[in-house]
Amino acid sequence: SQQGEEDPQALSIQEGENATMNCSYKTSINNLQWYRQNSGRGLVHLILIRSNEREKHSGRLRVTLDTSKKSSSLLITASRAADTASYFCATERSYNTDKLIFGTGTRLQVFP
Amino acid sequence: NAGVTQTPKFRVLKTGQSMTLLCAQDMNHEYMYWYRQDPGMGLRLIHYSVGEGTTAKGEVPDGYNVSRLKKQNFLLGLESAAPSQTSVYFCASTTRAGRDQPQHFGDGTRLSIL
Repeated sequence: SQQGEEDPQALSIQEGENATMNCSYKTSINNLQWYRQNSGRGLVHLILIRSNEREKHSGRLRVTLDTSKKSSSLLITASRAADTASYFCATERSYNTDKLIFGTGTRLQVFP
Repeated sequence: NAGVTQTPKFRVLKTGQSMTLLCAQDMNHEYMYWYRQDPGMGLRLIHYSVGEGTTAKGEVPDGYNVSRLKKQNFLLGLESAAPSQTSVYFCASTTRAGRDQPQHFGDGTRLSIL
């Protein structure tokens, strides 16, 4: 399979806690992107990290990238019930930039 | 400010029937994509287009055809629907792929093949 993998597949936490999800991929990349999908809706882009970056922040989101391990993590701090969604990583490979390769996703449930 | 619009939103077909899914974007994007999403499988690329009049195969192209006659529209066709094509189909677009650009998605077409 070309797809990357994410873990955990599902995560349940209480409001206010932090949520961490991980993504592993297989080939060299130009960038790695994280997307969010609310139930019944399309994917929405959250954040992009380039291959020469190690960490990036956007609001309550923190993304890290370790190209030597071919892995990334997304941290959502002080989670809210509205963060309940599925989260997907996607990679733009360095040798084929026309398309993204998506991971299988992490389902996050945040309880009030 | 519509972004990416997919029609129809829902459809039920019988095995062997044909149909066309329409994707329209108003952002003047060059690149457009069709994905299918199945439980536990994430998004899988069916076909994509890097510009008007061009199409290319993705990861799972069998049983589907596409056309990009106008820059803003990307059509996905099922010539003879099969139960294995029951899925949620997403269209996406982006400008200048390979330039650190995100993809913009429609809200999907939920297709059931009986």
